[in-house]
Amino acid sequence: QSVLTRPPSASGTPGQRVTISCSGSSSNIGSETVNWYQHLPGTAPKLLIYNNNQRPSGVPERFSGSKSGNSASLAISGLQSEDEADYYCATWDDTLHGLLFGGGTKLTVL
Amino acid sequence: EVQLLESGGGLVQPGGSLRLSCEASGFTFDTYAMNWVRHPPGKGLEWVSGISSTTTSSDTYYVESVKGRFTISTDSSKNTLFLQMNSLRAEDTAVYYCAKGRGSSPWYALDYWGQGTLVTVSS
Repeated sequence: QSVLTRPPSASGTPGQRVTISCSGSSSNIGSETVNWYQHLPGTAPKLLIYNNNQRPSGVPERFSGSKSGNSASLAISGLQSEDEADYYCATWDDTLHGLLFGGGTKLTVL
Repeated sequence: EVQLLESGGGLVQPGGSLRLSCEASGFTFDTYAMNWVRHPPGKGLEWVSGISSTTTSSDTYYVESVKGRFTISTDSSKNTLFLQMNSLRAEDTAVYYCAKGRGSSPWYALDYWGQGTLVTVSS
């Protein structure tokens, strides 16, 4: 069971906006930056958001991240069928001295 | 173009050993942290180990469940990352990904990933 708490699933229809939350503690999210990854099983995971709210080159503006206190969120606007994937929050933990991944949120586009 | 190519996975009996390799190209290998992340079947991604860049400290970090069994290392002359896995257990079964950090320490985001290599621990 991950130290980072997240909803195991989320869903939306094409064009909708969905958000995925990630909750941690003062030793991880509260004191470190949060990154988000998109993963289709069987393929290489992809960095979507780094440093809480920065998009790497090539990631659409539809994807955005935010952080407040010990929690972070990923928002996807204008949902598309190709967005159906598993989404992971991740951050460093200062107490465990290791990288933490949330358990993953499976996004379904209805 | 950044490329990461893992190799060395396979079927191994419980208690056995495997050495994973990750050949990197397209960036200055010495200046970035490198990590191993695994994806067990039916579960989520799990970070396994990270190593700081050789130009800083080459400090190593491990998830608790592999401490004392796995060793991460690099060979800068070959731009290659390794993961020596000993005393393997069934719960180590997973696809293992090599991932490059955006900075010199493992706490930076992982901006490039390999395609993964499958490790199966079973008798």
